[in-house]
Amino acid sequence: EIVLTQSPVTLSLSPGERATLSCRASQSVNSNLVWYQQKPGQAPRLLISDASNRATGIPARFSGSGSGTDFTLTISSLEPEDFAVYYCQQRYNWPLTFGGGTKVEIK
Amino acid sequence: EVQLLESGGDLVQPGGSLRLSCAASGFTFSSYGMGWVRQAPGKGLEWVSLISDSGGSTNSADSVKGRFTTSRDNAKNTLYLQMNSLRAEDTAVYYCAKRTGATSGAFDIWGQGTMVTVSS
Repeated sequence: EIVLTQSPVTLSLSPGERATLSCRASQSVNSNLVWYQQKPGQAPRLLISDASNRATGIPARFSGSGSGTDFTLTISSLEPEDFAVYYCQQRYNWPLTFGGGTKVEIK
Repeated sequence: EVQLLESGGDLVQPGGSLRLSCAASGFTFSSYGMGWVRQAPGKGLEWVSLISDSGGSTNSADSVKGRFTTSRDNAKNTLYLQMNSLRAEDTAVYYCAKRTGATSGAFDIWGQGTMVTVSS
């Protein structure tokens, strides 16, 4: 099973600041890495697929990068609606696995 | 509008059974694989199962293998999760989700979730 480790667990930032979230895989997943956003009481929302492809309707301030074992989700300038929990997920092999999440909170 | 609507969540005793349903609308259901993902209270996301567009291929997490069965009825645009031999650790919100393709392992549309509580 591929283990995904997300860091930091919590990120305290102010609106307008840049957020950098990390996801590290226990073995290579090539570019088969997905990012989701989840707000309290809501279902997850797809942000990024295949490590760097923004999903339909996702603002350009969200970007993904990386391949192999190290991946980054960057939010260039935080908007109030971006404070949420972010999960990475690998779709390289079975079982599909998720990281533990990074909570981006208002400082 | 693309929409997934889960139902069937309930309070059930350990060892009991439950069937979840997920009604799909706004897209060609039979062209996409589907999946189930769960989230225990206050915890992260856990993949449960996947099913191909035709229903001919399924895959599930070891934690539910042999107890949960995923199926679909393309004529009714509905996904199912039959849950047997339920345990306390199965307590979670269960989300159905649309895969981005027939066999993709990414999910682009999610339902609102249905709560399953396993407790005596």
